Amino acid sequence: AQKVTQAQTEISVVEKEDVTLDCVYETRDTTYYLFWYKQPPSGELVFLIRRNSFDEQNEISGRYSWNFQKSTSSFNFTITASQVVDSAVYFCALSESGTASKLTFGTGTRLQVTL
Amino acid sequence: KAGVTQTPRYLIKTRGQQVTLSCSPISGHRSVSWYQQTPGQGLQFLFEYFSETQRNKGNFPGRFSGRQFSNSRSEMNVSTLELGDSALYLCASSLHRGSGQYFGPGTRLTVT
Repeated sequence: AQKVTQAQTEISVVEKEDVTLDCVYETRDTTYYLFWYKQPPSGELVFLIRRNSFDEQNEISGRYSWNFQKSTSSFNFTITASQVVDSAVYFCALSESGTASKLTFGTGTRLQVTL
Repeated sequence: KAGVTQTPRYLIKTRGQQVTLSCSPISGHRSVSWYQQTPGQGLQFLFEYFSETQRNKGNFPGRFSGRQFSNSRSEMNVSTLELGDSALYLCASSLHRGSGQYFGPGTRLTVT
């Protein structure tokens, strides 16, 4: 069975600090997809990134970067120079190839960025 | 392109009633999935529709059902509402299976 663990329930940082959100996953499939979503207070889930299991390249998008390591089953997300607007709940999710549209979500990490 | 839209945004029902929620996917997206979000259980997959066919179903009782129309719009129905059905119901659409799913703003259902 697939499972996603986000051990950090809540993180508080001061603006301009870097912060890393951890995500560990479990799956028996060799083909799977990993995702990160942001949920601001408005409630809408915002898609950030999708990564398939064959692509272990790290990705950078502006202040966001993702580190995918199959050896440790982790897909961590780093925000560089955090801003108050980054305050939100961040979810890591996994889907397997056979049920590719069924996302299994972690419990989320609430990030609070203060001035 | 317009995003995923969901109606209504807020709904209050009483126990025993039934409710229908609507979702319009992004234009061109044929896959629509539904999720329930509660503080206790988190985000849980309900079902997925593609080309008017249910392709995946989560672990929810038969009171939860859905359908998809030929224009890819989808509805979900919950019959005989229980207090525990109070939740944010999120709809997501994607271009094809395994691609990024784009979520709507959700329908917040309160059952009293």
